[in-house]
Amino acid sequence: DGGITQSPKYLFRKEGQNVTLSCEQNLNHDAMYWYRQDPGQGLRLIYYSQIVNDFQKGDIAEGYSVSREKKESFPLTVTSAQKNPTAFYLCASRAGTGVFGYTFGSGTRLTVV
Amino acid sequence: AQKVTQAQTEISVVEKEDVTLDCVYETRDTTYYLFWYKQPPSGELVFLIRRNSFDEQNEISGRYSWNFQKSTSSFNFTITASQVVDSAVYFCALSEVLGSNYKLTFGKGTLLTVNP
Repeated sequence: DGGITQSPKYLFRKEGQNVTLSCEQNLNHDAMYWYRQDPGQGLRLIYYSQIVNDFQKGDIAEGYSVSREKKESFPLTVTSAQKNPTAFYLCASRAGTGVFGYTFGSGTRLTVV
Repeated sequence: AQKVTQAQTEISVVEKEDVTLDCVYETRDTTYYLFWYKQPPSGELVFLIRRNSFDEQNEISGRYSWNFQKSTSSFNFTITASQVVDSAVYFCALSEVLGSNYKLTFGKGTLLTVNP
């Protein structure tokens, strides 16, 4: 079955360490997105990518970095510059045309101690 | 900038009650799409409905119904005869065009608890 895989589901890191969250899709979707969710804050866009080797900052990109070397993969790195990294991170993808067909992964809960 | 407001932070009902979740949006786009997603405790977002700005017909799907009113910029969601399995966070979202890409702007969500 096609879908988005985010791994791991739970991740713990020490403060000051960089950490990379994985997002893989086998839907052949062009666009991919990273959202951050905090309690009572809804989902906020971190980065998005329309095509391979191209990505754009979203609303809260500071302290994060991404790459898009392959169509099916869009990893997110949470750097030590991110002031408050503990959150739930959701990856999504969308087919190339129109606003149809957003698919979300099951998320990674990152806890920094 | 686009904005989605879900004024109800939390709602608690007893099973079999009807419940309406409110969503008000702001946009300058003439063409846009509105969405509702459900997020159960497991965390994934489950797509419920998409509505485009030219289609103001209300929609009913089983126990779910949606009322889209462009005049008041609202897209409300009603669950009839609620069940415990409906307990989740519900998000309203609005599409935004970013060049050749699209972005979803989400409301802050409404936590619905259905008690037995």
